[in-house]
Amino acid sequence: DAKTTQPPSMDCAEGRAANLPCNHSTISGNEYVYWYRQIHSQGPQYIIHGLKNNETNEMASLIITEDRKSSTLILPHATLRDTAVYYCIVDNYGQNFVFGPGTRLSVLP
Amino acid sequence: ETGVTQSPTHLIKTRGQQVTLRCSSQSGHNTVSWYQQALGQGPQFIFQYYREEENGRGNFPPRFSGLQFPNYSSELNVNALELDDSALYLCASSLEYGVYEQYFGPGTRLTVT
Repeated sequence: DAKTTQPPSMDCAEGRAANLPCNHSTISGNEYVYWYRQIHSQGPQYIIHGLKNNETNEMASLIITEDRKSSTLILPHATLRDTAVYYCIVDNYGQNFVFGPGTRLSVLP
Repeated sequence: ETGVTQSPTHLIKTRGQQVTLRCSSQSGHNTVSWYQQALGQGPQFIFQYYREEENGRGNFPPRFSGLQFPNYSSELNVNALELDDSALYLCASSLEYGVYEQYFGPGTRLTVT
Protein backbone atom coordinates (compact mmCIF):
# COMPACT_ATOMS: atom_id res chain seq x y z
CA ASP A 1 0.00 0.00 0.00
CA ALA A 2 1.04 3.57 -0.65
CA LYS A 3 2.51 5.40 2.33
CA THR A 4 0.95 8.70 1.28
CA THR A 5 -2.50 10.25 1.27
CA GLN A 6 -3.51 12.85 -1.29
CA PRO A 7 -6.83 14.49 -2.18
CA PRO A 8 -8.31 12.76 -5.23
CA SER A 9 -8.83 15.96 -7.20
CA MET A 10 -8.20 19.71 -7.16
CA ASP A 11 -8.93 22.65 -9.42
CA CYS A 12 -6.73 25.67 -9.98
CA ALA A 13 -7.21 28.80 -12.06
CA GLU A 14 -4.71 29.36 -14.83
CA GLY A 15 -1.92 31.70 -13.73
CA ARG A 16 -2.51 31.07 -10.05
CA ALA A 17 -0.37 28.96 -7.75
CA ALA A 18 -1.38 25.34 -7.38
CA ASN A 19 -0.72 23.91 -3.93
CA LEU A 20 -0.95 20.13 -3.78
CA PRO A 21 -0.85 18.58 -0.29
CA CYS A 22 0.43 15.17 0.70
CA ASN A 23 0.31 13.40 4.06
CA HIS A 24 3.01 10.88 4.90
CA SER A 25 2.69 10.48 8.65
CA THR A 26 4.62 7.18 8.80
CA ILE A 27 7.66 8.41 6.90
CA SER A 28 10.93 7.14 8.30
CA GLY A 29 14.16 9.05 8.74
CA ASN A 30 15.86 7.84 5.57
CA GLU A 31 12.88 8.18 3.26
CA TYR A 32 12.69 10.91 0.67
CA VAL A 33 9.56 12.61 -0.65
CA TYR A 34 9.26 12.48 -4.43
CA TRP A 35 6.73 14.11 -6.71
CA TYR A 36 5.90 12.91 -10.19
CA ARG A 37 3.11 13.81 -12.54
CA GLN A 38 1.42 11.94 -15.36
CA ILE A 39 -0.22 13.70 -18.21
CA HIS A 40 -2.87 11.62 -19.92
CA SER A 41 -1.47 8.64 -21.84
CA GLN A 42 2.16 9.51 -21.11
CA GLY A 43 4.72 8.04 -18.73
CA PRO A 44 5.15 9.77 -15.34
CA GLN A 45 7.44 12.79 -15.29
CA TYR A 46 9.80 13.60 -12.43
CA ILE A 47 9.13 16.95 -10.76
CA ILE A 48 11.14 17.25 -7.56
CA HIS A 49 12.28 15.41 -4.45
CA GLY A 50 13.53 16.26 -0.97
CA LEU A 51 14.48 14.85 2.42
CA LYS A 52 14.11 17.58 5.04
CA ASN A 53 14.73 20.94 3.52
CA ASN A 54 12.49 22.82 1.15
CA GLU A 55 13.51 22.44 -2.45
CA THR A 56 12.94 24.49 -5.58
CA ASN A 57 13.67 23.86 -9.22
CA GLU A 58 12.49 25.26 -12.52
CA MET A 59 9.23 23.35 -12.32
CA ALA A 60 8.07 23.59 -8.74
CA SER A 61 8.78 24.07 -5.05
CA LEU A 62 8.54 21.39 -2.39
CA ILE A 63 7.71 22.41 1.15
CA ILE A 64 8.23 19.72 3.81
CA THR A 65 6.98 20.29 7.35
CA GLU A 66 9.50 20.20 10.16
CA ASP A 67 8.15 16.88 11.47
CA ARG A 68 8.23 15.55 7.88
CA LYS A 69 4.74 14.14 8.21
CA SER A 70 3.38 16.18 5.32
CA SER A 71 4.49 18.18 2.32
CA THR A 72 3.14 20.54 -0.30
CA LEU A 73 4.06 20.76 -3.95
CA ILE A 74 3.70 24.28 -5.31
CA LEU A 75 3.38 25.08 -9.00
CA PRO A 76 3.85 28.85 -8.86
CA HIS A 77 1.99 29.85 -12.03
CA ALA A 78 -0.17 26.99 -13.23
CA THR A 79 -0.85 26.67 -16.96
CA LEU A 80 -3.29 24.47 -18.84
CA ARG A 81 -0.39 22.12 -19.61
CA ASP A 82 -0.03 21.41 -15.90
CA THR A 83 -3.32 19.50 -15.93
CA ALA A 84 -2.27 16.00 -14.88
CA VAL A 85 -2.34 13.41 -12.10
CA TYR A 86 0.23 14.29 -9.45
CA TYR A 87 1.77 11.53 -7.37
CA CYS A 88 3.49 11.99 -4.02
CA ILE A 89 5.76 9.07 -3.13
CA VAL A 90 7.94 8.37 -0.12
CA ASP A 91 10.81 5.95 -0.50
CA ASN A 92 14.36 5.40 0.55
CA TYR A 93 16.96 5.22 -2.17
CA GLY A 94 15.68 1.84 -3.28
CA GLN A 95 13.56 3.42 -5.98
CA ASN A 96 10.93 0.71 -5.54
CA PHE A 97 8.22 3.29 -5.79
CA VAL A 98 4.72 2.61 -4.49
CA PHE A 99 2.35 4.91 -6.33
CA GLY A 100 -1.01 5.74 -4.81
CA PRO A 101 -3.95 7.04 -6.85
CA GLY A 102 -2.54 10.61 -6.80
CA THR A 103 -4.30 13.96 -7.15
CA ARG A 104 -5.97 14.85 -10.42
CA LEU A 105 -5.21 18.55 -10.92
CA SER A 106 -7.37 20.44 -13.38
CA VAL A 107 -6.12 23.87 -14.40
CA LEU A 108 -9.06 25.94 -15.53
CA PRO A 109 -8.90 28.82 -18.03
CA GLU B 1 20.31 12.93 -25.54
CA THR B 2 17.77 10.20 -26.29
CA GLY B 3 15.14 9.57 -23.66
CA VAL B 4 13.69 6.26 -22.54
CA THR B 5 12.07 4.38 -25.39
CA GLN B 6 9.81 1.34 -25.30
CA SER B 7 8.59 -1.08 -27.91
CA PRO B 8 6.11 -1.96 -29.12
CA THR B 9 3.66 0.86 -28.46
CA HIS B 10 0.62 -1.39 -28.49
CA LEU B 11 0.20 -5.14 -28.38
CA ILE B 12 -2.73 -7.53 -28.41
CA LYS B 13 -2.25 -11.07 -27.12
CA THR B 14 -4.46 -14.01 -26.30
CA ARG B 15 -4.81 -15.50 -22.84
CA GLY B 16 -2.13 -18.13 -22.21
CA GLN B 17 0.39 -16.63 -24.63
CA GLN B 18 3.75 -15.16 -23.76
CA VAL B 19 4.92 -11.59 -24.40
CA THR B 20 8.23 -9.71 -24.38
CA LEU B 21 8.36 -5.95 -23.94
CA ARG B 22 11.50 -3.93 -24.53
CA CYS B 23 13.00 -0.81 -23.05
CA SER B 24 16.02 1.27 -24.00
CA SER B 25 17.31 3.28 -21.07
CA GLN B 26 18.42 6.87 -21.26
CA SER B 27 22.07 7.10 -22.23
CA GLY B 28 24.41 6.40 -19.31
CA HIS B 29 21.70 5.02 -17.02
CA ASN B 30 22.46 1.67 -15.38
CA THR B 31 19.28 1.15 -13.37
CA VAL B 32 15.90 0.26 -14.84
CA SER B 33 12.56 -0.40 -13.18
CA TRP B 34 9.37 -1.81 -14.63
CA TYR B 35 5.85 -0.86 -13.60
CA GLN B 36 2.36 -2.06 -14.47
CA GLN B 37 -0.41 0.52 -14.63
CA ALA B 38 -4.00 -0.66 -14.85
CA LEU B 39 -6.59 1.75 -16.16
CA GLY B 40 -7.39 4.48 -13.63
CA GLN B 41 -4.74 3.41 -11.13
CA GLY B 42 -1.21 4.46 -10.25
CA PRO B 43 1.75 2.46 -11.53
CA GLN B 44 2.63 -0.69 -9.57
CA PHE B 45 6.29 -1.66 -9.16
CA ILE B 46 7.18 -4.99 -10.79
CA PHE B 47 10.97 -5.20 -10.40
CA GLN B 48 14.22 -3.31 -10.80
CA TYR B 49 17.52 -4.18 -12.42
CA TYR B 50 20.85 -2.64 -11.49
CA ARG B 51 23.93 -3.49 -13.52
CA GLU B 52 22.23 -6.58 -14.98
CA GLU B 53 21.10 -8.01 -11.62
CA GLU B 54 17.58 -8.02 -10.22
CA ASN B 55 17.65 -5.53 -7.38
CA GLY B 56 14.15 -5.62 -5.96
CA ARG B 57 10.77 -7.07 -6.78
CA GLY B 58 7.19 -6.08 -6.12
CA ASN B 59 4.22 -8.34 -5.48
CA PHE B 60 4.13 -9.99 -8.88
CA PRO B 61 4.21 -13.76 -9.62
CA PRO B 62 7.26 -15.49 -11.13
CA ARG B 63 5.66 -15.55 -14.57
CA PHE B 64 6.78 -11.91 -14.71
CA SER B 65 10.49 -11.99 -15.40
CA GLY B 66 13.08 -9.65 -16.78
CA LEU B 67 16.53 -9.14 -18.14
CA GLN B 68 18.96 -6.28 -18.34
CA PHE B 69 21.65 -6.40 -20.98
CA PRO B 70 25.26 -5.11 -20.89
CA ASN B 71 24.17 -1.98 -22.74
CA TYR B 72 21.55 -1.54 -19.96
CA SER B 73 18.57 -2.05 -22.24
CA SER B 74 15.95 -4.26 -20.67
CA GLU B 75 13.17 -6.75 -21.33
CA LEU B 76 10.03 -7.66 -19.43
CA ASN B 77 8.68 -11.13 -20.13
CA VAL B 78 5.25 -12.31 -19.09
CA ASN B 79 4.28 -15.96 -19.47
CA ALA B 80 0.83 -17.53 -19.40
CA LEU B 81 -0.94 -14.24 -19.96
CA GLU B 82 -4.13 -13.60 -18.04
CA LEU B 83 -6.89 -11.12 -18.79
CA ASP B 84 -5.85 -9.04 -15.75
CA ASP B 85 -2.43 -8.52 -17.30
CA SER B 86 -4.03 -5.99 -19.64
CA ALA B 87 -2.37 -2.72 -18.68
CA LEU B 88 0.14 -0.05 -19.58
CA TYR B 89 3.66 -1.29 -18.89
CA LEU B 90 6.17 1.41 -18.07
CA CYS B 91 9.89 1.26 -17.75
CA ALA B 92 11.94 3.89 -16.00
CA SER B 93 15.69 4.38 -15.96
CA SER B 94 17.93 6.27 -13.59
CA LEU B 95 21.57 7.25 -13.61
CA GLU B 96 22.47 5.05 -10.67
CA TYR B 97 20.87 3.03 -7.93
CA GLY B 98 20.15 5.53 -5.20
CA VAL B 99 18.46 8.87 -4.80
CA TYR B 100 18.18 9.73 -8.43
CA GLU B 101 15.15 10.72 -10.42
CA GLN B 102 13.61 8.07 -12.62
CA TYR B 103 12.90 8.87 -16.25
CA PHE B 104 9.88 7.03 -17.60
CA GLY B 105 9.24 5.84 -21.11
CA PRO B 106 5.89 6.28 -22.86
CA GLY B 107 4.82 2.74 -22.06
CA THR B 108 3.53 -0.29 -23.93
CA ARG B 109 -0.22 -0.83 -23.91
CA LEU B 110 -0.88 -4.59 -23.62
CA THR B 111 -4.34 -5.96 -24.22
CA VAL B 112 -5.04 -9.61 -23.40
CA THR B 113 -8.17 -11.11 -24.93
